[in-house]
Amino acid sequence: EDKVVQSPLSLVVHEGDTVTLNCSYEVTNFRSLLWYKQEKKAPTFLFMLTSSGIEKKSGRLSSILDKKELSSILNITATQTGDSAIYLCAVEGGGYQKVTFGIGTKLQVIP
Amino acid sequence: DVKVTQSSRYLVKRTGEKVFLECVQDMDHENMFWYRQDPGLGLRLIYFSYDVKMKEKGDIPEGYSVSREKKERFSLILESASTNQTSMYLCASTPGYGYTFGSGTRLTVV
Repeated sequence: EDKVVQSPLSLVVHEGDTVTLNCSYEVTNFRSLLWYKQEKKAPTFLFMLTSSGIEKKSGRLSSILDKKELSSILNITATQTGDSAIYLCAVEGGGYQKVTFGIGTKLQVIP
Repeated sequence: DVKVTQSSRYLVKRTGEKVFLECVQDMDHENMFWYRQDPGLGLRLIYFSYDVKMKEKGDIPEGYSVSREKKERFSLILESASTNQTSMYLCASTPGYGYTFGSGTRLTVV
């Protein structure tokens, strides 16, 4: 059974801190790893990492895929209150278009 | 801009009712999905469809069915709603990578 595990489940930091969110996976036929940010409604796409693109960066957010360790991290530097959200990791693999999501990490950034 | 629209944000239904959740995308994507999201369980795949009239069971299809008569529309049907189907339902579509999600329907079955 495909599995995606995120840690920590929950995190509270102060504005300006740097945070690292973790995602590990066990899937057959790995194709890609995806990070999403979910605020009050639906998840919004952040990054996709594949074998040919193991590091992505956008502003204060960056992500690295470690295919050897079957894991990924999402870094957020200089956090802001607007970064408060649930961050979801998902892995595409296994059967046709099958994507398995982790439970998510709930990040709260306090002023 | 890419859009996935779910017809209802909030729904309250009685046990035993037949419930239809509608999802429409305007991106001409072939692949569409229905997930439910529950605290502590994350997003779980109910059904997906990779073409019109094609459907595949996900991880938790019991108690649900789907319909895809047109490419842009993917409906989730609860044949006889039960209280354990109270959840947030999310529709998504993809061209092959990077899902776009709808806003979600929070369904309460009483």
